[in-house]
Amino acid sequence: AQTVTQSQPEMSVQEAETVTLSCTYDTSESDYYLFWYKQPPSRQMILVIRQEAYKQQNATENRFSVNFQKAAKSFSLKISDSQLGDAAMYFCAYGTSGSRLTFGEGTQLTVNP
Amino acid sequence: GAVVSQHPSWVICKSGTSVKIECRSLDFQATTMFWYRQFPKQSLMLMATSNEGSKATYEQGVEKDKFLINHASLTLSTLTVTSAHPEDSSFYICSASPSGLAGASMYQETQYFGPGTRLLVL
Repeated sequence: AQTVTQSQPEMSVQEAETVTLSCTYDTSESDYYLFWYKQPPSRQMILVIRQEAYKQQNATENRFSVNFQKAAKSFSLKISDSQLGDAAMYFCAYGTSGSRLTFGEGTQLTVNP
Repeated sequence: GAVVSQHPSWVICKSGTSVKIECRSLDFQATTMFWYRQFPKQSLMLMATSNEGSKATYEQGVEKDKFLINHASLTLSTLTVTSAHPEDSSFYICSASPSGLAGASMYQETQYFGPGTRLLVL
């Protein structure tokens, strides 16, 4: 069975600094997708970034980028120039075509002014 | 793009009554929708996978007779909590994945989430 592990229950960062959230996963599949979702206090799940496993190039979305290491089964999220609005719970998730998502336990990110 | 709505956002009901929660994909069609439950400060727990035109697939431990799911169209799935009890109080979230050609600003093989429904059973 696939598993997703987020080893950092809580992280904090100073405004305008950079922070990296860790995620590892376990799978025997070769074709899959990885995601980072953000859940602010409103509890709305928001897609931050997605990565297709067959693509070697790391995905980027503005201030958000990932470090995807397929052999190591690692998928970390880097947030640059952190803003107060980035404060949220961040979930790493794994999925295959048309199937359910497997979520990690989440990392609570605090941004200090 | 990729907007999913849920209604109601907040519901309080008496023990023993039934509550229906609607999940709609507003700007895309979704053959498959998912229903999750989330307790405070915890991750999402998948309850069931809703397939348009067929029976839902429930996760182990989820009572299918208590949590009735109907996916009657490509844009609407409903979750009915029957004979609700206080232990059913929780935050329920749906998600949908675009089927066919994804529109602008959305991806296939990606789940987009509704804003959630807070259920309190007294």
